Amino acid sequence: SQQGEEDPQALSIQEGENATMNCSYKTSINNLQWYRQNSGRGLVHLILIRSNEREKHSGRLRVTLDTSKKSSSLLITASRAADTASYFCATDADVNAGGTSYGKLTFGQGTILTVHP
Amino acid sequence: ETGVTQTPRHLVMGMTNKKSLKCEQHLGHNAMYWYKQSAKKPLELMFVYSLEERVENNSVPSRFSPECPNSSHLFLHLHTLQPEDSALYLCASSYGLAGSNEQYFGPGTRLTVT
Repeated sequence: SQQGEEDPQALSIQEGENATMNCSYKTSINNLQWYRQNSGRGLVHLILIRSNEREKHSGRLRVTLDTSKKSSSLLITASRAADTASYFCATDADVNAGGTSYGKLTFGQGTILTVHP
Repeated sequence: ETGVTQTPRHLVMGMTNKKSLKCEQHLGHNAMYWYKQSAKKPLELMFVYSLEERVENNSVPSRFSPECPNSSHLFLHLHTLQPEDSALYLCASSYGLAGSNEQYFGPGTRLTVT
């Protein structure tokens, strides 16, 4: 089953408005990261929040994490047309592969954000 | 630019062809990854390499064959692919394997199998 699921699948807003995207997951995590992807390009890391943190800020981004509800939210304030992109949450959990442990990132399907000028 | 480059950016190949995707990172990272991104599906982790050793093969069919000759380069060799293999293939790198490490992604190779 999918670990990270974003909600909504698509969000359309006007420039200057705030955009909120949510992510839910199923199993215990070490950290949760948010990434952004412009159409047809690679992902760019935005912010990481650790499982013992509840809120984190970076510029116009605010991320919250509620481990009791297994959910996170990404808030983009004062949105701009350049914020138009897909946004993904990624949870990490330790995986043991043949004796080597690594932190596997599991991505959700993403929220497509469109900001109209 | 993230410091991770991928070539080619677009590739069209027939089911009987053999081709290779190349990824190069200029960040001094020691872990590299291949991901597959298909329409309407979450990003799928395919392979993980650490210090040129393969750590993970995430149940990927043998028609995909990775190669990591050094910590800066990663290849994905393709042969006898199927149309359902058409997707965006993303390479990523990180400093170490910990999940708390930020992964840096390349722009991807858009693969179309005809």
